[in-house]
Amino acid sequence: AQSVTQLDSQVPVFEEAPVELRCNYSSSVSVYLFWYVQYPNQGLQLLLKYLSGSTLVKGINGFEAEFNKSQTSFHLRKPSVHISDTAEYFCAVSEGYDMRFGAGTRLTVKP
Amino acid sequence: DTGVSQNPRHKITKRGQNVTFRCDPISEHNRLYWYRQTLGQGPEFLTYFQNEAQLEKSRLLSDRFSAERPKGSFSTLEIQRTEQGDSAMYLCASTTSGGYNEQFFGPGTRLTVL
Repeated sequence: AQSVTQLDSQVPVFEEAPVELRCNYSSSVSVYLFWYVQYPNQGLQLLLKYLSGSTLVKGINGFEAEFNKSQTSFHLRKPSVHISDTAEYFCAVSEGYDMRFGAGTRLTVKP
Repeated sequence: DTGVSQNPRHKITKRGQNVTFRCDPISEHNRLYWYRQTLGQGPEFLTYFQNEAQLEKSRLLSDRFSAERPKGSFSTLEIQRTEQGDSAMYLCASTTSGGYNEQFFGPGTRLTVL
């Protein structure tokens, strides 16, 4: 079965700085990859997804992610963060009906 | 609003009581998932339905947990004889079968067992 590892549990950054949230996955077959964001006491909202094709995918709120098959990674990036980006971010891998989530990365943007 | 809705948003109960949560998925979605999320963790799969059929259950889902989706539309998750360890956020998500399994999540029900 597939699994997801988010390498950083917490990432503090200053406003307008760039950020990268790291995600590695393991799977024996082709998978679909997702990044979700969760604000306090809310459900998960889809940021972006990789299904096939171009390895660089763009999502909402200025986020992008790059799929690297050889390194089995799907890191999330944003060139300049805002205070409002403070939230929990989850990487997920889907294989068939099964979706597995990482433990999450808490992004805290400081003024 | 045509998103996934969940009720109630918050539930506080005493240990030993039964609780029931409801999820209304996006209307055209035939797959519905339940997840449990504890503090500092990602969502953990509990069970999923395709239409009214419950196709998979996690080993996390003890005998005290039961889920239904009687007409293939809304779903309920019941926990009997609640324990303090059941305190968590319960998330519902829906999607269409045969696609990429892009799941749309509801706001969750936060359960606190005293």
